Amino acid sequence: QITLTQQAESLWISPGERVSITCRASQSLLYTDGKHYLSWYQQRPGQTTKALIYHASVRTDGVPTRFIGSGSGTEFTLSIEHVQPEDFAIYYCLQTLKSPWTFGGGTKLELK
Amino acid sequence: EVQLVESGGGLVQPGRSLKLSCAASGFTFSNYYMAWVRQAPKKGLEWVATISTSGSRTYYPDSVKGRFTISRDNAKSSLYLQMNSLKSEDTATYYCARQANYYFDYWGQGVMVTVSS
Repeated sequence: QITLTQQAESLWISPGERVSITCRASQSLLYTDGKHYLSWYQQRPGQTTKALIYHASVRTDGVPTRFIGSGSGTEFTLSIEHVQPEDFAIYYCLQTLKSPWTFGGGTKLELK
Repeated sequence: EVQLVESGGGLVQPGRSLKLSCAASGFTFSNYYMAWVRQAPKKGLEWVATISTSGSRTYYPDSVKGRFTISRDNAKSSLYLQMNSLKSEDTATYYCARQANYYFDYWGQGVMVTVSS
């Protein structure tokens, strides 16, 4: 199965800063259609899990433009520019290229 | 507004069965693949099952294959997860999720399942 590694379990940042969360796959997530099957999710206490990015770089409806997905092959990044107080949460990546679909271990953004 | 509301969780003994339900609203249920995702306490997310729009195709990881069965009733806009031969490692919050374009675009609040004697 494909393993996704989010190296950082926690990242400490201050509001207004820029942060990058990385996700590394054990094999390329590029399919023959030219798309990467990698998505990003946000989990906040008391809220439903929110989809942020799919196909590595496409924002879902209503997601603020400060959330930017990038990367290719096996290396992917979720960047958040000018972090807002509501962005302190846990972020997960997910690969849907091959079954079983697998998530990264998660990265928690914490207030510095 | 898309809403997914899970129910049916609780405390169950190892080896027993439990059936979860998910009531969907705010979209045309029959047009979407649906899925279950779980999260053990203080742990990460794990995909558990996916079902096609008609229910004719289902997909599972090895960890639950043969024990869990996903199903749906499009007339009732409802998704189900029948869990048999439950183990302590199945203890988790179970989320119902709508699947779109190979990602989960909407999630429910989740329902807790505890497997313990």
